[in-house]
Amino acid sequence: QVQLVESGGGVVQPGKSLRLSCAASGFSFSTYAIHWVRQAPGKGLEWVAVVWHDGSNRYYADSVKGRFTISRDNSKNTLYLQMNSLRVEDTAVYYCARDNFWNGYGYFDYWGQGTLVTVSS
Amino acid sequence: EIVLTQSPGTLSLSPGERATLSCRASQSVGSSYLAWFQQKPGQAPRLLMYGASNRATGIPDRFSGSGSGTDFTLTISRLEPEDFAVYYCQQYGGSPQTFGQGTKLEIK
Repeated sequence: QVQLVESGGGVVQPGKSLRLSCAASGFSFSTYAIHWVRQAPGKGLEWVAVVWHDGSNRYYADSVKGRFTISRDNSKNTLYLQMNSLRVEDTAVYYCARDNFWNGYGYFDYWGQGTLVTVSS
Repeated sequence: EIVLTQSPGTLSLSPGERATLSCRASQSVGSSYLAWFQQKPGQAPRLLMYGASNRATGIPDRFSGSGSGTDFTLTISRLEPEDFAVYYCQQYGGSPQTFGQGTKLEIK
């Protein structure tokens, strides 16, 4: 069965960096675009970034552009989110979600369980 | 970007009743690229509907979706206890993808 498992969350000070991982299994990872979506405590869902199936294109929300980098290693079936210059407002549960299409223009059919990032001094 | 507005913010109903949730877009969502998700406390969102009216795998037929253009509806015909949760709509026809703010369906 399709599984997405996030890791790497934790408590970090403002201005510092953190890298999240999303390990995929149960499907052909290199066939699908994958997204990061976040949810601040008690709030709604916010799309963060997407990477195409082959890593050739990446797109970001304005709120993280220039600070976050999405990448993937298809040989390891793993997605990453490098988060730099973290701000208090980046505090959230971060989910990886599979797009049903290769270029990120489909719907999100499978989600991981999420990993919590807390930015606090 | 396309802004999605969900109503009502909170819906209080009893098991067995019919629930109607609304999602309105600030501009037309091309080709009905509209999805609905259910989220329970402490859990990840779960895909319910895609393409406005197509049920995802394993979703019971008491869930149905309709609409096109800018107005979309999720209907739950007879509420079961496990249906009380937060529901989000999402459009994937425009870039960036955007979510509505959610409707909380609570037990009356």
